[in-house]
Amino acid sequence: DTAVSQTPKYLVTQMGNDKSIKCEQNLGHDTMYWYKQDSKKFLKIMFSYNNKELIINETVPNRFSPKSPDKAHLNLHINSLELGDSAVYFCASSHASGGTYEQYFGPGTRLTVT
Amino acid sequence: QKEVEQDPGPLSVPEGAIVSLNCTYSNSAFQYFMWYRQYSRKGPELLMYTYSSGNKEDGRFTAQVDKSSKYISLFIRDSQPSDSATYLCAMTGSARQLTFGSGTQLTVLP
Repeated sequence: DTAVSQTPKYLVTQMGNDKSIKCEQNLGHDTMYWYKQDSKKFLKIMFSYNNKELIINETVPNRFSPKSPDKAHLNLHINSLELGDSAVYFCASSHASGGTYEQYFGPGTRLTVT
Repeated sequence: QKEVEQDPGPLSVPEGAIVSLNCTYSNSAFQYFMWYRQYSRKGPELLMYTYSSGNKEDGRFTAQVDKSSKYISLFIRDSQPSDSATYLCAMTGSARQLTFGSGTQLTVLP
């Protein structure tokens, strides 16, 4: 059983296009996240979201927007793609309560913008 | 200056060696400390989780946190080729969002 899944696994597109990455978790978690990992493996939070609150990292361009149809899904929509958006994007989920902050990651989506 | 500093390596050791991986941090509000392991072209997976200062052991892995020095460590005993991966430290205070180190690439040679 896949805990956190993402589609597509690979995405190659041209500058200026709009694309979406889908994420689903079956862990019953109430908080989901999007991370960007650059070529040097540095993992940086982009968004955290539960049904009450969206927290946006202030460095994320507004071309990026999370969309959550329900608690188990958090999709990432990117407008007007740029070369610098090329990276691996990871979705993750966790419980918000209980004092623990263990996050479970999906397999990643490798985005290449040409 | 980054909030979390981690030596990127790469680190190469022979099988059976003891491996020491470390991170330093600057934010005193951090109280939850984690180590994630990331195999090539895979997502990070949680390896160890520690709250506040102290040690935690799980099999061949030991996590140490020294909040007074703002220093955390992960020790791997009897390292195996299957331990070859990138190890990422992560930490958070009460904001729920994790701050990651840049990762240390480890190779264990048979």
